[in-house]
Amino acid sequence: DAKTTQPTSMDCAEGRAANLPCNHSTISGNEYVYWYRQIHSQGPQYIIHGLKNNETNEMASLIITEDRKSSTLILPHATLRDTAVYYCIVRVAGSGGSNYKLTFGKGTLLTVNP
Amino acid sequence: GAGVSQSPRYKVAKRGQDVALRCDPISGHVSLFWYQQALGQGPEFLTYFQNEAQLDKSGLPSDRFFAERPEGSVSTLKIQRTQQEDSAVYLCASSLVRDRAYNEQFFGPGTRLTVL
Repeated sequence: DAKTTQPTSMDCAEGRAANLPCNHSTISGNEYVYWYRQIHSQGPQYIIHGLKNNETNEMASLIITEDRKSSTLILPHATLRDTAVYYCIVRVAGSGGSNYKLTFGKGTLLTVNP
Repeated sequence: GAGVSQSPRYKVAKRGQDVALRCDPISGHVSLFWYQQALGQGPEFLTYFQNEAQLDKSGLPSDRFFAERPEGSVSTLKIQRTQQEDSAVYLCASSLVRDRAYNEQFFGPGTRLTVL
């Protein structure tokens, strides 16, 4: 699986959009981009995933660049409860190999300030 | 609905003791995973079950670590002769389907193990 690079930490004001970047310059054509987050003292929580197209769900939006070498997770209106470590993960599509694994890095600690 | 549950939430063991950590996955979930998370680090894969079969145990750090899922539902992670370096949060996750890349994993709250 390709490796990812994320900033160690970021701050965001409550009510503003939080934009979390992720670089995955060695991503392969069959690898998806996943985002999970981990609130303090909880297990990781799935947020969103995508392959090529931008994706949106009730939690966030995922913007993937055309060359797929980077992506941005957008929380449109951050709240204090969004304070967490956010992990960007790339993962092979399809069956076979060990693509069932999630390979976490250190993630980005997002702190939402009042 | 009920999520993944783990027990105990906290465990303190003296070095050399054996411990057993329990995971109750979401009902009907075929796949079950164990991860280890050291302080300040992301979770690291330990082992994977599909139903009762342990298909991958490549992440288990030593032969003191043993996991089982005898009936394809509840799983137990056992650590024998605990060492201080085993201190970590042990996370269990389950998912519904194995062979599709976008199957999300649902995580439990973890068991924090402290070895004195």
